[in-house]
Amino acid sequence: NAGVTQTPKFRVLKTGQSMTLLCAQDMNHEYMYWYRQDPGMGLRLIHYSVGEGTTAKGEVPDGYNVSRLKKQNFLLGLESAAPSQTSVYFCASARLRNPYEQYFGPGTRLTVT
Amino acid sequence: SQQGEEDPQALSIQEGENATMNCSYKTSINNLQWYRQNSGRGLVHLILIRSNEREKHSGRLRVTLDTSKKSSSLLITASRAADTASYFCATDVGGTSYGKLTFGQGTILTVHP
Repeated sequence: NAGVTQTPKFRVLKTGQSMTLLCAQDMNHEYMYWYRQDPGMGLRLIHYSVGEGTTAKGEVPDGYNVSRLKKQNFLLGLESAAPSQTSVYFCASARLRNPYEQYFGPGTRLTVT
Repeated sequence: SQQGEEDPQALSIQEGENATMNCSYKTSINNLQWYRQNSGRGLVHLILIRSNEREKHSGRLRVTLDTSKKSSSLLITASRAADTASYFCATDVGGTSYGKLTFGQGTILTVHP
């Protein structure tokens, strides 16, 4: 099993450009999450999903949108990138019965210039 | 604002020594977990302790929880060079079981061979 994979691994955007980060998991997990990690800070939850077709806002949702059309995929979109969105983005998934044991992807390093 | 704060921010020890990291949080929790992050990688779940537990062991890991002081500690015994990583505590936001976690800023542990 690949676990949680993220595409792409690195990306550089110019201010105002848009992009989509893809997260895929092959563990049949119900829950999926998007976090961002900035230097000197812990991970902060952007959006999460408790099942196919459902999404909800986390701690820092502004400037991001998400979709979960298939159970195994969770997409994070930036419609108009800003330098403040320069960060490392992590996707995670978890089982319904134990949502606190989350399985993380390797991360996407995004730079917005 | 961050729920969890960790202390120390960085810890440097020799192989074979014990490493202790502390986490304090602000609001009531249902459980607390510890994660490890190797450089450039995603997080890996280490251990979960529930609010009605005071101590938990897993291999060389020992976690304590003091809900009256809103604090937890992670002890790694007989440390190895491979334990070099960042360690994060994470608490659930509470109210739901969706796995919405708030992470501390982490402790960087360096174990010298």
